[in-house]
Amino acid sequence: GAGVSQSPRYKVTKRGQDVALRCDPISGHVSLYWYRQALGQGPEFLTYFNYEAQQDKSGLPNDRFSAERPEGSISTLTIQRTEQRDSAMYRCASSLESALAGGEQFFGPGTRLTVL
Amino acid sequence: DAKTTQPTSMDCAEGRAANLPCNHSTISGNEYVYWYRQIHSQGPQYIIHGLKNNETNEMASLIITEDRKSSTLILPHATLRDTAVYYCIVRLYTGGFKTIFGAGTRLFVKA
Repeated sequence: GAGVSQSPRYKVTKRGQDVALRCDPISGHVSLYWYRQALGQGPEFLTYFNYEAQQDKSGLPNDRFSAERPEGSISTLTIQRTEQRDSAMYRCASSLESALAGGEQFFGPGTRLTVL
Repeated sequence: DAKTTQPTSMDCAEGRAANLPCNHSTISGNEYVYWYRQIHSQGPQYIIHGLKNNETNEMASLIITEDRKSSTLILPHATLRDTAVYYCIVRLYTGGFKTIFGAGTRLFVKA
């Protein structure tokens, strides 16, 4: 079956521009997670959703970062007025979160963002 | 914020067992131990999870101490393809939860 997909796979933008990163989770998965990963480091938690509700956004670095999941499926991570320090791999994961299948997260291929 | 501590790196000879330790001394009673690995630039991949009993699947075994303050992931016959970063995570089983990965252990399997 289809896994988690993310688009675009690569995004190059100029400093000051806004970018929107999309995540298509596995169908039926309740939870959706966003992470940021710098080279050589582990994934850094940004935010997550249960269905359409954003449960925890404590990992978002500042108010230029926002995320939504309006219908409880596809999610968009938006970065406004991008800065060079925002350059990283942005990863999305989804999870079924049921009594039978708990917290196993399935990760997408990521979006490599480069801010010039 | 990571609730776990792991060695930065480990070596293992091909064909031998790789034993990766993890300390999680502040784990609460309803938190599970999860292991993921990340090969090169791919996304993290789930390996195994457990609460208090030892667990085994086709990829690995998970040994959790009786006091649940530490655990060991065992790859019984490591291959070169097992070279990766291995992450130990503690979190609730269901309900969606903030997940902190930490730096992980970089395992090098050598021929």
